[in-house]
Amino acid sequence: AQKVTQAQTEISVVEKEDVTLDCVYETRDTTYYLFWYKQPPSGELVFLIRRNSFDEQNEISGRYSWNFQKSTSSFNFTITASQVVDSAVYFCALSAANTGNQFYFGTGTSLTVIP
Amino acid sequence: DAGVIQSPRHEVTEMGQEVTLRCKPISGHNSLFWYRQTMMRGLELLIYFNNNVPIDDSGMPEDRFSAKMPNASFSTLKIQPSEPRDSAVYFCASSLMATYEQYFGPGTRLTVT
Repeated sequence: AQKVTQAQTEISVVEKEDVTLDCVYETRDTTYYLFWYKQPPSGELVFLIRRNSFDEQNEISGRYSWNFQKSTSSFNFTITASQVVDSAVYFCALSAANTGNQFYFGTGTSLTVIP
Repeated sequence: DAGVIQSPRHEVTEMGQEVTLRCKPISGHNSLFWYRQTMMRGLELLIYFNNNVPIDDSGMPEDRFSAKMPNASFSTLKIQPSEPRDSAVYFCASSLMATYEQYFGPGTRLTVT
């Protein structure tokens, strides 16, 4: 079975602090894909990153970085020098080839950045 | 290129009425997904299509829900008859292929009174 766990329901940080959002996944498939999405207060879901199971290289995009570790089945997301505009709900998702490629979303982490 | 387009953006209807939600995926995308989001249940996959063919509708809550994709550029989600517990935000998403990132529409906020 596929499962994504985002244990942090809500996080509050003060602007300019760094924050890490945790994502732990479960799958028996060897080929799978991991994603992060952002849902700001306006409600739309915005794609942030896709990573396949064969690529454990960490990625950095501006203030965003992602740490993929197969050994711990984690795909954590770090925001450096947080800003008020980062306030949103962040979802981690898993897609596996042997289960029809449908997405399994975590329950989301609500991040509030306090000015 | 335009993103995923959904209509209407807001729908308020009375219990028992038929509701039809519409979605136009991104041109060239072969997979289309319908989701429902509520505070209680989070983001739920209702159904998805590959090349206009329904692949998995196990998330459709009951027979009152139906979805169609008559061509590559249009899909509908219909609820008949609607009930108050159907109140939610319904998202449509599309992707180039099923394993690729999904791009979401702005959602339809449905309120059934």
